[in-house]
Amino acid sequence: KNQVEQSPQSLIILEGKNCTLQCNYTVSPFSNLRWYKQDTGRGPVSLTIMTFSENTKSNGRYTATLDADTKQSSLHITASQLSDSASYICVVSDRGSTLGRLYFGRGTQLTVWP
Amino acid sequence: EADIYQTPRYLVIGTGKKITLECSQTMGHDKMYWYQQDPGMELHLIHYSYGVNSTEKGDLSSESTVSRIRTEHFPLTLESARPSHTSQYLCASSSPTGTSGAQETQYFGPGTRLLVL
Repeated sequence: KNQVEQSPQSLIILEGKNCTLQCNYTVSPFSNLRWYKQDTGRGPVSLTIMTFSENTKSNGRYTATLDADTKQSSLHITASQLSDSASYICVVSDRGSTLGRLYFGRGTQLTVWP
Repeated sequence: EADIYQTPRYLVIGTGKKITLECSQTMGHDKMYWYQQDPGMELHLIHYSYGVNSTEKGDLSSESTVSRIRTEHFPLTLESARPSHTSQYLCASSSPTGTSGAQETQYFGPGTRLLVL
């Protein structure tokens, strides 16, 4: 069964600290993996996208890694800010259809405290 | 910031009422989607469209219906709302990226939070 599991479910950190969010998936075949940020009451916004051949990609203070062999990805946030408080969603796409079906994780709810 | 809009943002309505959730995008994207998301849960695809006059049901069974008469507009309708329909509804559109066009990036609207009493 194609699944995307994220951990931890929730995380509280102090402003300025770093943190790492995890994503494990069983989706096959694999096309790409995205990390989205979803602010409360808003739609998700794409942070990074990685294909099979990419193992790291950065977007400002966000750095995503991908190990396609172990089917694991992580999102590292450096020097956290209050505005980083949001849900971070891992999304994996397969190649099984022209639509490129997406499998969503439940997200990690990150809270950054001052 | 993506040019995709949803109205209303919040809706509280009584059981049995007919509602239409609006979604429009100005990016000229052919593909559009509707997702349902409950608090703390993953997004579930309920409808999608490849283009004008194309509509398909998604992974999650839904009593809602959609239409795609114009490229930019993808409304979702519930003929008779029930408390079980209480949820957040997210609309998205996408365009192919990458050399093969396989890396579609979806752009999401702000969502409509629906509460059925």
